[in-house]
Amino acid sequence: NAGVTQTPKFQVLKTGQSMTLQCAQDMNHNSMYWYRQDPGMGLRLIYYSASEGTTDKGEVPNGYNVSRLNKREFSLRLESAAPSQTSVYFCASGPGGPYEQYFGPGTRLTVT
Amino acid sequence: DQQVKQNSPSLSVQEGRISILNCDYTNSMFDYFLWYKKYPAEGPTFLISISSIKDKNEDGRFTVFLNKSAKHLSLHIVPSQPGDSAVYFCAATPRAAGNKLTFGGGTRVLVKP
Repeated sequence: NAGVTQTPKFQVLKTGQSMTLQCAQDMNHNSMYWYRQDPGMGLRLIYYSASEGTTDKGEVPNGYNVSRLNKREFSLRLESAAPSQTSVYFCASGPGGPYEQYFGPGTRLTVT
Repeated sequence: DQQVKQNSPSLSVQEGRISILNCDYTNSMFDYFLWYKKYPAEGPTFLISISSIKDKNEDGRFTVFLNKSAKHLSLHIVPSQPGDSAVYFCAATPRAAGNKLTFGGGTRVLVKP
């Protein structure tokens, strides 16, 4: 039981390049989330998927797109990376509703 | 406009003593609150939660207190242990919002042996 897995762990991009961050969970959770963590800012919600087939914007969605590929997988795409997107990205899953979320180990992204 | 604030960026405490972490919120719609713990290079892990219908919830060494009128919650860790050294985040959500969590900026706790 791996929980929430994320790939890659580290990535360096040049401004304007694109990439997709992958996330998978094996806990049969309905809901999945993408957050970014910046120093002193806590975690901010980028996008979430309350259930398979649905996605919604969070607090900071600009510059990102997401795909809920199936119940297990939720990917985050940066179409044209900018230095402001340098951050640590966390994927999380949960049963939905007022319950705790389970986080992956994170992807550290640097955009130069 | 930060709706969840942790005003102390860091806290240092002696092993065996109490750690008290504070969190304030501004959104009256928040009715469920959680605390997460985060070690370096790892994802946050859930610690304890509290619903707005309660004012206290306890789990082993961890107790969360909620003061709704003051829009304030706190996490008490007793006794503090060196393994508790981590960054602690409080988070809040309106239960009707499908568990969209709003996080505070975190408090770094150092427990000295």
